[in-house]
Amino acid sequence: DVKVTQSSRYLVKRTGEKVFLECVQDMDHENMFWYRQDPGLGLRLIYFSYDVKMKEKGDIPEGYSVSREKKERFSLILESASTNQTSMYLCASSPRGTGFSYEQYFGPGTRLTVT
Amino acid sequence: DQQVKQNSPSLSVQEGRISILNCDYTNSMFDYFLWYKKYPAEGPTFLISISSIKDKNEDGRFTVFLNKSAKHLSLHIVPSQPGDSAVYFCAASEGPPSDYKLSFGAGTTVTVRA
Repeated sequence: DVKVTQSSRYLVKRTGEKVFLECVQDMDHENMFWYRQDPGLGLRLIYFSYDVKMKEKGDIPEGYSVSREKKERFSLILESASTNQTSMYLCASSPRGTGFSYEQYFGPGTRLTVT
Repeated sequence: DQQVKQNSPSLSVQEGRISILNCDYTNSMFDYFLWYKKYPAEGPTFLISISSIKDKNEDGRFTVFLNKSAKHLSLHIVPSQPGDSAVYFCAASEGPPSDYKLSFGAGTTVTVRA
């Protein structure tokens, strides 16, 4: 079974703090993704990575950065947290190419509250 | 602007009856369409998908229909069961979903009544 784990289920941070959200997958997937989920908006892609040290901007990258130093780990960084970054953050991974399975596998999410 | 729209935020259905969830999209480059199911406090899990070369895909109680000319897809769940109560997200991509970014709808909350 594919397993995508996220470092925290719940996180409370103060405005201006630097925040690190960690994601680890155990299936040797090449691709990793960070989304945020907000009511009425669904999931929106923040950043994704096709390989170690590679990153691509998604639809809403402003205020975020990412790091992928190892294949299994993809970190989302909020350089200076703001209240409008209060959200559910979801990490996903997928193997490159269609193969026999081509969906994205999601972690359980991190509920971040910025006060 | 959202390219994938789920206009019904919620749906309530009797156990044993059919649930029909609808999804519309605006991007004609979308080639793959997926449905994900999400329980509270869990990440979304893949349910069923369809590529643009098909108009129907069936997997057990779940069937997805695609109408490319109308840019519309729907998910049918027959028969609905209490365990189907969850939020359902429609998603689309311009290429194989493993390699392309997914665009999601806002989700439809399904409640199956006993």
